[in-house]
Amino acid sequence: EPEVTQTPSHQVTQMGQEVILRCVPISNHLYFYWYRQILGQKVEFLVSFYNNEISEKSEIFDDQFSVERPDGSNFTLKIRSTKLEDSAMYFCASSEETGRNQPQHFGDGTRLSIL
Amino acid sequence: GDSVTQMEGPVTLSEEACLTINCTYTATGYPSLFWYVQYPGEGLQLLLKATKADDKGSNKGFEATYRKETTSFHLEKGSVQVSDSAVYFCALRAGANNLFFGTGTRLTVIP
Repeated sequence: EPEVTQTPSHQVTQMGQEVILRCVPISNHLYFYWYRQILGQKVEFLVSFYNNEISEKSEIFDDQFSVERPDGSNFTLKIRSTKLEDSAMYFCASSEETGRNQPQHFGDGTRLSIL
Repeated sequence: GDSVTQMEGPVTLSEEACLTINCTYTATGYPSLFWYVQYPGEGLQLLLKATKADDKGSNKGFEATYRKETTSFHLEKGSVQVSDSAVYFCALRAGANNLFFGTGTRLTVIP
């Protein structure tokens, strides 16, 4: 069964450094998402992406964050200048279509640790 | 706004015991409701879903019924196995593209 893959599984970065988290969505999917989960808290929506544009973003997704689909397969999340509070598990997801009935398929996540 | 409230864990059960994990929601409009499961070291996997009132989602022996009158979507299983040990997340999706998740409930099943 096709799956969403994320790399790396664990990223350790010094505060203030830039970090790029990578995702390969399911190949025929058109809609892409990033979520994060701070330890012990809810999984929170960050951003959705379609047709090379951000379609929705949450309050968390400020100017420090950006997303990109640099080629036909990768979907990346960049944090420009990391802060301690960015430490979390980051999940990428994709779906074939949009709409409230459409399930989103998730990757295994990248654990980001900011020192 | 849209939100999900999920039963706090952790939950520890003996094998073959009955499981109920409570989930209630608040949403504008008519959401679809989901249960996701996260096994140790893995990502979020869709377990089941229901898209309208009175729908019952089911998978792997788990069931949940969309109850509009009580705004609930409780997850149930009649006889749990050790392999069911995981974190379970209730989620909804209304008008927006994104999912709203509960806090997750960790289930441990002991032999």
